[in-house]
Formats: sequence, structure tokens, C-alpha cells
Amino acid sequence: AQSVTQLDSQVPVFEEAPVELRCNYSSSVSVYLFWYVQYPNQGLQLLLKYLSGSTLVKGINGFEAEFNKSQTSFHLRKPSVHISDTAEYFCAVTDRSNTGKLIFGQGTTLQVKP
Amino acid sequence: DTAVSQTPKYLVTQMGNDKSIKCEQNLGHDTMYWYKQDSKKFLKIMFSYNNKELIINETVPNRFSPKSPDKAHLNLHINSLELGDSAVYFCASSQGAGGSLDTQYFGPGTRLTVL
Repeated sequence: AQSVTQLDSQVPVFEEAPVELRCNYSSSVSVYLFWYVQYPNQGLQLLLKYLSGSTLVKGINGFEAEFNKSQTSFHLRKPSVHISDTAEYFCAVTDRSNTGKLIFGQGTTLQVKP
Repeated sequence: DTAVSQTPKYLVTQMGNDKSIKCEQNLGHDTMYWYKQDSKKFLKIMFSYNNKELIINETVPNRFSPKSPDKAHLNLHINSLELGDSAVYFCASSQGAGGSLDTQYFGPGTRLTVL
């Protein structure tokens, strides 16, 4: 079984500052990793995913994440945030089976202040 | 054009009632899912269907019954609603056989409130 822990429930940051949202996972098998964003009153949208290959993954809206197998982490970063990045961010993991079953973390609220 | 749509957007009902939430996707995807997001924003998968066949069936009470009339639709019927069923329910879809490589596309959610 897999599990995901997002270490920060809320991250306040000023506009144009860098941000890191932390995610750690636990699994006894190889996994795929995802970050989803949920804007207020909307569904989830995929930001980026790690399947294999390069451990640095670039996504939409200037976000990137780095897969670290030894630390079982998949932290999300952005060098300069905008007000429009204010949203809920979810890290998720799935095993490499054929079910598509996503296990989500608890979410991190990113609050970008002017 | 909305890729994954859900109706209704809001649903307020009394305990004990039976209600349905509808989901439709126009992406031509083969697999559809239902997720429940509780008041603490924790998301958990409930069901998935691939070409009208049940693939994932998590430990969900029997009062919840998904129905897939065709691969573009996955409805969720809930019997004898309880207070604890209050949540936001998200539908999602993905291409192919629901493999873990496939990106899931989410609908806007249905906020269910049981009084």
C-alpha cells in the first residue's frame, strides 16, 4: 500500500517570492508521482507527473518538482509565485499497476499575498 | 466545451433521502472515476469504471452504487443519505484502460450537504 504526506497544511508567501511545497511518500513498490492543483470552487488539474527518467520534472505555470528516491520525496517548487497561484495543491502517488488508483496527500494551501 | 461535467453542482437534501449525481465526459476516454473530498479536503477514490466494467471498488458503503450506462457517463446513486455523506464528490476520466500512466481529468465537483 502507498501513502502520501504533505508536510505543510498552509504555506503563506509573498508575490514574486519562491515557494516549495513538500511531499513525502511511502511505498514498497515503484510508483508514479503527481502534483495536482485545485483552484477555488474548481476540480483538480494536473500540474506535472513523474513516471521515469530525469528526476527533475517541469510542469505547467512554471512549476517543477524533483523526485528523490532515497528520501522518498517529490517536492514542488516555483521560483516566483503570482497571486493567481493561490490554490490547494495535492501530491498523489500510484503504483505501477493497471488500476489508475491515485492516493492523495492531505493537500497544502498556498496563499500568495501581494 | 466542458471536458468532464457534473450535475448538479450543489445538492442539499435531508437524511434518509436517495439522490443521484451525474457525470459526463466528452473526451472519448475509456475510464471514469468517482472521488470523495471530505471537509478537511482529503480526497479518496471510491470507484472506477473502464468501458462500463467496474475496476476499482473501495471500501464504500453499499448505499453507494455507481452506474455506467455507456463509457461517456458514470452516475453515482446514494441511498438512505447520512450526515457523514456530506462532501464534495468529484468525477474524473482518463484515456485507455485506466492505467497508472494515464492523466486523470477532473470535473468541477458536486457539493452534497445532508441535513
